[in-house]
Amino acid sequence: SAVISQKPSRDICQRGTSLTIQCQVDSQVTMMFWYRQQPGQSLTLIATANQGSEATYESGFVIDKFPISRPNLTFSTLTVSNLSPEDSSIYLCSVERVAGGHEQYFGPGTRLTVT
Amino acid sequence: GNSVTQMEGPVTLSEEAFLTINCTYTATGYPSLFWYVQYPGEGLQLLLKATKADDKGSNKGFEATYRKETTSFHLEKGSVQVSDSAVYFCALSDNNDMRFGAGTRLTVKP
Repeated sequence: SAVISQKPSRDICQRGTSLTIQCQVDSQVTMMFWYRQQPGQSLTLIATANQGSEATYESGFVIDKFPISRPNLTFSTLTVSNLSPEDSSIYLCSVERVAGGHEQYFGPGTRLTVT
Repeated sequence: GNSVTQMEGPVTLSEEAFLTINCTYTATGYPSLFWYVQYPGEGLQLLLKATKADDKGSNKGFEATYRKETTSFHLEKGSVQVSDSAVYFCALSDNNDMRFGAGTRLTVKP
């Protein structure tokens, strides 16, 4: 398994501002993922972040709104820009372990509230 | 495309009751199947997995068997505890494509 930490754990932000979420892994991993979990909902994949290349975004998510950095094999950031109340969600990062079935391990999440 | 359908909740049980949460899937390839659990205020934790047909995943008293003929991966536990109260997500991974079910909230009452 992998130990994943996220910062901040929660934040309250004003409309129009941005929040950058950090994700740190205790081992080197190739693929990192960013998900959004809206209240009472399942997980929706925002993008896949591979080190050394641009993130790959899922349909409905764009780089201008959700810029992602992946400077090395243990760290990534997700920025949620130009915040609106609809961005209030839990944001989760995860990493994939290829051996044994491609399972993913998740960070504890960042709970964002936009006022 | 790939998808996961799981039993809608919420599910409320008394302590020591038997639990079943149904999960079926659609996949174009040969997926690995997972159950994740999310305790209040926390991220998702991998509960158990199965990587091929007829495999049984088990952990903490929970079990699920990969049934290719019925495309199912139902979660079961013989005797639930209050501490099992959480949201359970069924998921599949097929060729780097990971899909989650909608989640089933379980509440266990003493």
